[in-house]
Amino acid sequence: DTAVSQTPKYLVTQMGNDKSIKCEQNLGHDTMYWYKQDSKKFLKIMFSYNNKELIINETVPNRFSPKSPDKAHLNLHINSLELGDSAVYFCASSLAGQGNEKLFFGSGTQLSVL
Amino acid sequence: GENVEQHPSTLSVQEGDSAVIKCTYSDSASNYFPWYKQELGKGPQLIIDIRSNVGEKKDQRIAVTLNKTAKHFSLHITETQPEDSAVYFCAASKPGNQFYFGTGTSLTVIP
Repeated sequence: DTAVSQTPKYLVTQMGNDKSIKCEQNLGHDTMYWYKQDSKKFLKIMFSYNNKELIINETVPNRFSPKSPDKAHLNLHINSLELGDSAVYFCASSLAGQGNEKLFFGSGTQLSVL
Repeated sequence: GENVEQHPSTLSVQEGDSAVIKCTYSDSASNYFPWYKQELGKGPQLIIDIRSNVGEKKDQRIAVTLNKTAKHFSLHITETQPEDSAVYFCAASKPGNQFYFGTGTSLTVIP
């Protein structure tokens, strides 16, 4: 009964391919996020959704498209993958997305683009 | 926007010694300061947090202090153990806003 679970754990693919990462939370939270962690371990927010609505959309190439079918799921689809997309992607959730509340992370998806 | 700086980037301590990691923030409206521990191959996990109406908080061997005037907060780990080895992140946020993370501190506890 993992609180925030994301799949797959590892994703190795060729440049130009399209791939998806799935995320689900069973905490009953209203807000979910995608973070990117680069090789220097820096955590940068990409998107956040509150109850299926896009709240934060940082400067991310439009090849990245989040989709939230319901408030417990937030998937990330990436088109035309590039070498620079290689990173660890973390899904996270929080209760109401108010900013000053606990954030829970998934275990990450390590994406390697060859 | 908010700017969170974290030091040091790497820290090595002998088992049993204390470790201190420091962060500064720029936005005086920030009022929530969590600390996350990230073990190898895992996601960041919340270990302790503090709100701006409190100056210090302790949980067993871990403590966090906050100086609102100077806009800095610190993580203190006492009696370190090898399992404390990980990357630690500080963060700052305010109501209605996103989290801003520090750049991480890689802590190594030498047995």
